[in-house]
Amino acid sequence: DTGVSQDPRHKITKRGQNVTFRCDPISEHNRLYWYRQTLGQGPEFLTYFQNEAQLEKSRLLSDRFSAERPKGSFSTLEIQRTEQGDSAMYLCASSLSGTALQEKLFFGSGTQLSVL
Amino acid sequence: DQQVKQNSPSLSVQEGRISILNCDYTNSMFDYFLWYKKYPAEGPTFLISISSIKDKNEDGRFTVFLNKSAKHLSLHIVPSQPGDSAVYFCAASALGGGADGLTFGKGTHLIIQP
Repeated sequence: DTGVSQDPRHKITKRGQNVTFRCDPISEHNRLYWYRQTLGQGPEFLTYFQNEAQLEKSRLLSDRFSAERPKGSFSTLEIQRTEQGDSAMYLCASSLSGTALQEKLFFGSGTQLSVL
Repeated sequence: DQQVKQNSPSLSVQEGRISILNCDYTNSMFDYFLWYKKYPAEGPTFLISISSIKDKNEDGRFTVFLNKSAKHLSLHIVPSQPGDSAVYFCAASALGGGADGLTFGKGTHLIIQP
């Protein structure tokens, strides 16, 4: 296990469809984050989990978005009834809490979503 | 309201010279700062960090300086190499991290000219 893995790398969908992304964090990391990045912007925080508990949600996470981490390992991010404004790179990151490095997030390569 | 600002969208530096990337922040609760590097079609990669109790941290060619009174930090890369060409993001966290994750700036695209 060499890093954070995200699947798929690219997703093209039509407006109104549902999409789901998967993230596999670094195995010993108990924190998992979802970020969104649009062109010309830095990554924006969406939500994070510590183990299986979702501890924080951004106001950016509308009710069409839901994230899960059922067993405290991999996570899924689902977007229902996609809109063109959802087109972005969705990044997953993980870290290990309780250490001096807990703010040091390791990112995956992201899922690029295009909503037509 | 942007809490972390990188006011230079791009910066061009000659190979071998020093690259200086700047970052300003407004939230006085931020106590930990990081720089990430991002190549196209890849996720950000951690580069270097600094705690608010320090004013300087070095790692090889990379040095980060923190001026808390000015709410300003900078990343120095010396000497600059072609492989340093990338987008650099400044990020900050408050209250030990976790809540709200990291707050990122918009990034500076560094171009190293041969």
